[in-house]
Amino acid sequence: GAVVSQHPSRVICKSGTSVKIECRSLDFQATTMFWYRQFPKQSLMLMATSNEGSKATYEQGVEKDKFLINHASLTLSTLTVTSAHPEDSSFYICSASGGQGAREQYFGPGTRLTVT
Amino acid sequence: GNSVTQMEGPVTLSEEAFLTINCTYTATGYPSLFWYVQYPGEGLQLLLKATKADDKGSNKGFEATYRKETTSFHLEKGSVQVSDSAVYFCALSAGGTSYGKLTFGQGTILTVHP
Repeated sequence: GAVVSQHPSRVICKSGTSVKIECRSLDFQATTMFWYRQFPKQSLMLMATSNEGSKATYEQGVEKDKFLINHASLTLSTLTVTSAHPEDSSFYICSASGGQGAREQYFGPGTRLTVT
Repeated sequence: GNSVTQMEGPVTLSEEAFLTINCTYTATGYPSLFWYVQYPGEGLQLLLKATKADDKGSNKGFEATYRKETTSFHLEKGSVQVSDSAVYFCALSAGGTSYGKLTFGQGTILTVHP
């Protein structure tokens, strides 16, 4: 149980275009989803926390107008990178946690974004 | 604030060697502690966890004990295999305004040679 999927696994886009990444909890209801960014050989940087039905909470230094997060249902959250630039190229990972005080997060397999 | 410090890598071992990856933390209250493993090109998988002092988490031969007195959660395995080669992250989840958020250590790259 506790499977989280991400789609796409890899995406290449041109500079200036927007890219949407989906994160789904397949077998549980995720009241909270998290989006991380990971640079090569580095740790995960939390970008934002989203609760179903409410606006995402962004970490300091993360541009909310550039990284649009939508958590419209208990099983789906999306991250849209708007007007992507080469410096946005990275590995984006989502995670999800269930309700009832759960602290454990289940991670998706990640999405490799390359902006040319 | 909350923080996690892991021993710097990379760590290179021969198969069947003993593994220790140190992890210490700073947090308010009583955090839950986790070890995650990341294989190349993949997301993170939960390896083990402990939610209170003196708890021992274990999985796939790996163990870690929640030591509140030393604020540590060191990862150990008695005999590593080539398939254990991966990046290992220590993490904590604290309460209060950070409830549910994970704070990660910097990760330790482990390479096991045959």
